[in-house]
Amino acid sequence: GAVVSQHPSWVICKSGTSVKIECRSLDFQATTMFWYRQFPKQSLMLMATSNEGSKATYEQGVEKDKFLINHASLTLSTLTVTSAHPEDSSFYICSARELSGTRREETQYFGPGTRLLVL
Amino acid sequence: ILNVEQSPQSLHVQEGDSTNFTCSFPSSNFYALHWYRWETAKSPEALFVMTLNGDEKKKGRISATLNTKEGYSYLYIKGSQPEDSATYLCAFRNYGQNFVFGPGTRLSVLP
Repeated sequence: GAVVSQHPSWVICKSGTSVKIECRSLDFQATTMFWYRQFPKQSLMLMATSNEGSKATYEQGVEKDKFLINHASLTLSTLTVTSAHPEDSSFYICSARELSGTRREETQYFGPGTRLLVL
Repeated sequence: ILNVEQSPQSLHVQEGDSTNFTCSFPSSNFYALHWYRWETAKSPEALFVMTLNGDEKKKGRISATLNTKEGYSYLYIKGSQPEDSATYLCAFRNYGQNFVFGPGTRLSVLP
């Protein structure tokens, strides 16, 4: 099956610093990638849709300037948490869309996630 | 705001037991329903994509059914094994929308 990697898996940083998280599709090209965030005991919540070669589409309530997304190639999307604060501490996970069968059957393949702790 | 629910939140079963859990979603504008298995420290693994009312999918000891008219899907595991221990997520899509995930069901299979 399709493999998505994510790096780093863990990051601890000081308040005010920026953190970059990479998401790569290893064996397929992904024109669309997604960034989710999960708080403890809650569902995965979509933050933004990352489109190769164009600007990301952010969900309501997600700050564009806080969470910078770059999708410069068909296999790499990055999420940068700028000027991180303790409230940004969370689990961030990416996925990449691969079309399999009909468009209705397309699925998302996930990376293993990144746990961010801002001190 | 679309609401996707899963029940139970968690359950413990003995090895060899069969089990099932539920994903509930809005019944209008249904497009697709996805099931994932998520083991700790790993990537969520895609299990099934279901698109038609009455769909039944099977993968080894795991199977799923879909009822789009009443807005639910069941996931069944036959003869649970310790390696089945994971969180099982469902994700709902309606037309033109992205995935909306349920909170998951955490399954623990005791040897």
